[in-house]
This record gives sequence, structure tokens and C-alpha cells, in this order.
Amino acid sequence: NAGVTQTPKFQVLKTGQSMTLQCAQDMNHEYMSWYRQDPGMGLRLIHYSVGAGITDQGEVPNGYNVSRSTTEDFPLRLLSAAPSQTSVYFCASSQGRNEAFFGQGTRLTVV
Amino acid sequence: AQKVTQAQTEISVVEKEDVTLDCVYETRDTTYYLFWYKQPPSGELVFLIRRNSFDEQNEISGRYSWNFQKSTSSFNFTITASQVVDSAVYFCALSEMITGGGNKLTFGTGTQLKVEL
Repeated sequence: NAGVTQTPKFQVLKTGQSMTLQCAQDMNHEYMSWYRQDPGMGLRLIHYSVGAGITDQGEVPNGYNVSRSTTEDFPLRLLSAAPSQTSVYFCASSQGRNEAFFGQGTRLTVV
Repeated sequence: AQKVTQAQTEISVVEKEDVTLDCVYETRDTTYYLFWYKQPPSGELVFLIRRNSFDEQNEISGRYSWNFQKSTSSFNFTITASQVVDSAVYFCALSEMITGGGNKLTFGTGTQLKVEL
């Protein structure tokens, strides 16, 4: 199984551009989430979803949108990129109270 | 609100030394789960252990061991006879039960472990 797949692995954006980070899982997990990792701050929750059609905000949701039309996919949209969104982004999925499986991460630079 | 504190930002040890990584948490939930993840220099997040709030038994897996003490809200991680391959950032995380299921995780800021020859 592929587990959790994120694309792209690297991306450079100009301020004001928009883009979508893709996340797909093949484990039939109901719960999916997006985190950002910044130096010295650990991982912080952006948005999460407990199932298709249901999403909610995490700790740092501003500037990001999500949707969950299928169990498998949970894309993260940056509407108008800002330098403050330069970070490493991780998508994760889990089922029940079991451990979360993480994607390989997307390193995003906004210039 | 949930909170996880990893006070040790960086630890350096010489190979074969034992090292303990500290994790202190805060939660109002009576049922919760704690996790440890490893992030090697390659960047991926590797699951190490899950512990629920009702199980205070210590866990040992090879050179790794975990000490969960509810009385002090701590979940510390010890590596015995450290090796260079243990060099990584280690994260402690606390789960929050949410409607609909799933683990909404709160992470600590991580501890960078450097093991030198």
C-alpha cells in the first residue's frame, strides 16, 4: 500500500499566487488532517476532516481552505500565498484512536 | 486547551550513552492517548509508540523504553546505548477526542537528538 501520498514534494510560489497541495490515502481512514511544521514550533494543525463532506479548523487555519469530497482525498488550498506560509506541510490520516500516518511532506517557499 | 511541553530543545550525546527525552502534557480529558514520533534528517515522520491514559505500564521495545506517569503528567522516552542512527528530532503528541472519531493531535516543539561518535 502507498499509505499517504502528498504532491508536490517541493514548490516555490510568488506572493499572491494560489495553489493546491494534494493528499491522498489508500487505507480507508475516516480522519485526515493537515499540519504545518516551522522551526522551533513543532507541528501545528491547520484543518482536519472526520469524513467525506465534513471539515473543521485547527489551530492555524487562516489563509487555507480544504474540502473533502471523497474518503481518499483531502486537498489543501492556499488562496493567496504569503511569505508567512513558507513552511513544511504534512498530511496525515488515521482511524479511530490509532496512530496517524503521515505523508512525506511538501516543502513550500513563498517569495 | 491541550498542551505538550518538550523543554529540551537539543541534546547531544556520545554513542552508547543512555539518553532520556522529556515530555509533559496538559489535558482536561480523562481519556486520552499519547504518542511519540521520530523525524530523521530525511524528514518523514515515523510512529514509535501509542499509550492510552489507562495504561501506566512502562513499555520497552529493544533499546527504546517509555515511562508514563499520570501523577506528573509525563511520558518520557529513553534510548539505551544510543547510536548515530538515533540522531533525529523526536516529537511527543497528545490526542484530543473529537466528535466523529480520529486523533486530533497536539505536538510538542520537538527535541533534536544528536548522537556523535
